[in-house]
Amino acid sequence: GAGVSQTPSNKVTEKGKYVELRCDPISGHTALYWYRQSLGQGPEFLIYFQGTGAADDSGLPNDRFFAVRPEGSVSTLKIQRTERGDSAVYLCASSLTGLNSPLHFGNGTRLTVT
Amino acid sequence: SQELEQSPQSLIVQEGKNLTINCTSSKTLYGLYWYKQKYGEGLIFLMMLQKGGEEKSHEKITAKLDEKKQQSSLHITASQPSHAGIYLCGADSQAGTALIFGKGTTLSVSS
Repeated sequence: GAGVSQTPSNKVTEKGKYVELRCDPISGHTALYWYRQSLGQGPEFLIYFQGTGAADDSGLPNDRFFAVRPEGSVSTLKIQRTERGDSAVYLCASSLTGLNSPLHFGNGTRLTVT
Repeated sequence: SQELEQSPQSLIVQEGKNLTINCTSSKTLYGLYWYKQKYGEGLIFLMMLQKGGEEKSHEKITAKLDEKKQQSSLHITASQPSHAGIYLCGADSQAGTALIFGKGTTLSVSS
C-alpha cells in the first residue's frame, strides 16, 4: 500500500516568499503530524491534527507558520515571509488513531531559503 | 518540558560486533518508539514499547524499556552494514500527544 507522500521533495525559495508544502497521509489514518528536522538534530514537533482539527499546534514557531487539513486527509503546511532560518527538512507523519499507534513518516520536503 | 537524551551520539563498530544505544527521559514515559533514518529519507518505525520492563525483538534488534519507564535501550546483535544509519528514540508523556524525539545516534558498521 502507499505510504505517506510529501511534495515537493525539494523546494528552493527566496527570502520573503511564501511556500506551501503538501502531505498525503496513509489512507484511513486519522492523525497527521508535521515535524521539522535540521542537520544533526532529531525531528522537532510543529503541529498535530486529529481529523480536520489541530489537536496541538504548540510547536509552530511563530505566526508565519500555518497548517490546514480541511477534509481530514491531505494537509498543507504554509510558511509566509520565509527566512533563511526556516531552511530544514519538513517531515510529515500519519498514524492510524494517534493513540497507541506508531507514526509513519514521509521522506520529507527539503526547504532551502536563499 | 520533556527531553530525551540519546547516547552515544555516534558509534562505529566492526561488522559482527554487538552494540547498545540508550535513550533516557527526565519524566515517566507513556510510550517509547524506536526509529531508523537513512540520510535524505524519512524515519522507519522499528518498535514500540509501553509497559515497564517490556522487551521486544525483531530480527537482530532488541529494545527494552525499564521498569520506571524512563530509560530504553536498543541492542543490535552481530551488526551488519545494513544496520548503518541514524537511530532515533521518540516518546510521548501522555496518551494521544505528539512524540518528541532525541537527537539520534549515528551508527556506522565497518566491514
